Amino acid sequence: ELKVEQNPLFLSMQEGKNYTIYCNYSTTSDRLYWYRQDPGKSLESLFVLLSNGAVKQEGRLMASLDTKARLSTLHITAAVHDLSATYFCAVEQGGSEKLVFGKGTKLTVNP
Amino acid sequence: GAGVSQSPRYKVAKRGQDVALRCDPISGHVSLFWYQQALGQGPEFLTYFQNEAQLDKSGLPSDRFFAERPEGSVSTLKIQRTQQEDSAVYLCASSLGLHFSPNTGELFFGEGSRLTVL
Repeated sequence: ELKVEQNPLFLSMQEGKNYTIYCNYSTTSDRLYWYRQDPGKSLESLFVLLSNGAVKQEGRLMASLDTKARLSTLHITAAVHDLSATYFCAVEQGGSEKLVFGKGTKLTVNP
Repeated sequence: GAGVSQSPRYKVAKRGQDVALRCDPISGHVSLFWYQQALGQGPEFLTYFQNEAQLDKSGLPSDRFFAERPEGSVSTLKIQRTQQEDSAVYLCASSLGLHFSPNTGELFFGEGSRLTVL
């Protein structure tokens, strides 16, 4: 059974600082996704990572995937308040299209 | 519309009532998923359709939960004899489907239906 673990679950950081969120998963998969969720809202797709070594960047966020280590990272550079949200990683289970989600990382960026 | 549409957005039910939640996927999307998200948790898979065929219902928590997609487009999630533990946000998502190339497998989510059972 595929399990997805994120850490930390809660992250409070100051504006301008850098930090990394980690996503580990338990069984082989070549597809990993990062989503953002604002309170009371649905999930917004941030990154789609489809192969080992994939790296994608959008603004202050950069995501990478190491399928051999079963690890993805979401790196935040020079955080700003607008990045405050909950971030989820999700891993595709066995080529089925079914995604298994982590518990999420609630990020708060303080001025 | 351009995105996944869900209704109702909010539903309050008395324990024991039946509820029906509707999902309109993105036009042309073959795959449709239902997820349940409890407060402060990640979405948990409930069931999955490819066109009108329900290929996986392993996540449905009990036989009180039933989903259908009779014409391969709109889907309804029905919960019979609701219980307090059914209180959650029910998210619908759609995607192009495995056989569409190039397919990233990306799911597009609706705003969700928040169910509160009193």
